[in-house]
Amino acid sequence: DTGVSQNPRHKITKRGQNVTFRCDPISEHNRLYWYRQTLGQGPEFLTYFQNEAQLEKSRLLSDRFSAERPKGSFSTLEIQRTEQGDSAMYLCASSPQGGSSREQYFGPGTRLTVT
Amino acid sequence: QKEVEQNSGPLSVPEGAIASLNCTYSDRVSQSFFWYRQYSGKSPELIMSIYSNGDKEDGRFTAQLNKASQYVSLLIRDSQPSDSATYLCAVRGGGGSNYKLTFGKGTLLTVNP
Repeated sequence: DTGVSQNPRHKITKRGQNVTFRCDPISEHNRLYWYRQTLGQGPEFLTYFQNEAQLEKSRLLSDRFSAERPKGSFSTLEIQRTEQGDSAMYLCASSPQGGSSREQYFGPGTRLTVT
Repeated sequence: QKEVEQNSGPLSVPEGAIASLNCTYSDRVSQSFFWYRQYSGKSPELIMSIYSNGDKEDGRFTAQLNKASQYVSLLIRDSQPSDSATYLCAVRGGGGSNYKLTFGKGTLLTVNP
């Protein structure tokens, strides 16, 4: 069990550029979640996948955000035309199917800074 | 709007003391409750989960749940300086939203040597 991994760990980009983050969940975890955390706040839910199906997308996600999980394994989160307000820690979590599926385990996060 | 409220702190306790962290939630159909520890600049780490009313103990940690009062707490016994972190309360809803977590803003705990 190698844990949830995320890449890159840090990303600095200029306003207007596109960025893409990757998340590799714990192996055999079929549920994957994206959250965003800003300074002084708790993580806020963005979107949820069960296998390859994206089952919910938060109202926090504007049309500039898109997430995919094409084969039900890793996931990508893309932000188009970044804005300074997108600066945050982007967290990925995963959970298994079954009785313990209520517990979510977070990766190290990707810290995005938009200048 | 489903809310989770925590005292932001900081909560300061001496080494060896008991630290008590509290959390209230607004959604009565919530089913699952979690405490995460987050060190500065790091991601949240799951330390306790509780699903039924009462107490659940794991080492130095005890989680307490009272669904009637919509209240969750975390006790840390024999607090150590390494426990200094932000503690996040998270609630998983019932019904159709029973997969996403709603977090409080966290309570900053400082354990003084």
